[in-house]
Amino acid sequence: AQTVTQSQPEMSVQEAETVTLSCTYDTSESDYYLFWYKQPPSRQMILVIRQEAYKQQNATENRFSVNFQKAAKSFSLKISDSQLGDAAMYFCAYRSRFTQGGSEKLVFGKGTKLTVNP
Amino acid sequence: SAVISQKPSRDICQRGTSLTIQCQVDSQVTMMFWYRQQPGQSLTLIATANQGSEATYESGFVIDKFPISRPNLTFSTLTVSNMSPEDSSIYLCSVARTSGSTDTQYFGPGTRLTVL
Repeated sequence: AQTVTQSQPEMSVQEAETVTLSCTYDTSESDYYLFWYKQPPSRQMILVIRQEAYKQQNATENRFSVNFQKAAKSFSLKISDSQLGDAAMYFCAYRSRFTQGGSEKLVFGKGTKLTVNP
Repeated sequence: SAVISQKPSRDICQRGTSLTIQCQVDSQVTMMFWYRQQPGQSLTLIATANQGSEATYESGFVIDKFPISRPNLTFSTLTVSNMSPEDSSIYLCSVARTSGSTDTQYFGPGTRLTVL
């Protein structure tokens, strides 16, 4: 079974600075998707960024980018120019690419609480 | 993306009662997913709901406790039966959408359930 580990329960960053959230995962599969979701206090789960494992190029979405190291099974999220609105719980998630036998499910890490200080 | 609504947004219930949570999607989807997020915890999949077939439950979750309906391609319900305080959680539905080569799950706003 796949597992996702987020080793930082809490992180803080100054407004306008850069912060990196860590995520590692364990899988025997070669093809899969990785995601970062954000959950603000409103509890809405919001997709931040996604990465296909077969793509070597790291995904970017505006101020958000990932460092995907497939061999190391590492998938960190970098937030540049942090804003107060970035404060939230961030969850790393894994999903198998092949949809058989319930493999569509997302496997989540325990989350990292990000605080942005003004 | 997807526009997903859930009802109710929150509820406070007495132990031993049941609550049905509704999930509505803005367009047809094959699969809908129900997750539970216990206080301070991550999300755990309860079951996957396909239209026209029985829901598939994850280990640790049973149909008698969490019956699911999927009457059409835009709607699903999750019932939390015979509730106890341990069922106090946020319950979220999600759907998968394919964009290019990527399948992505989008989530509803969640239902915060408190059981007294």
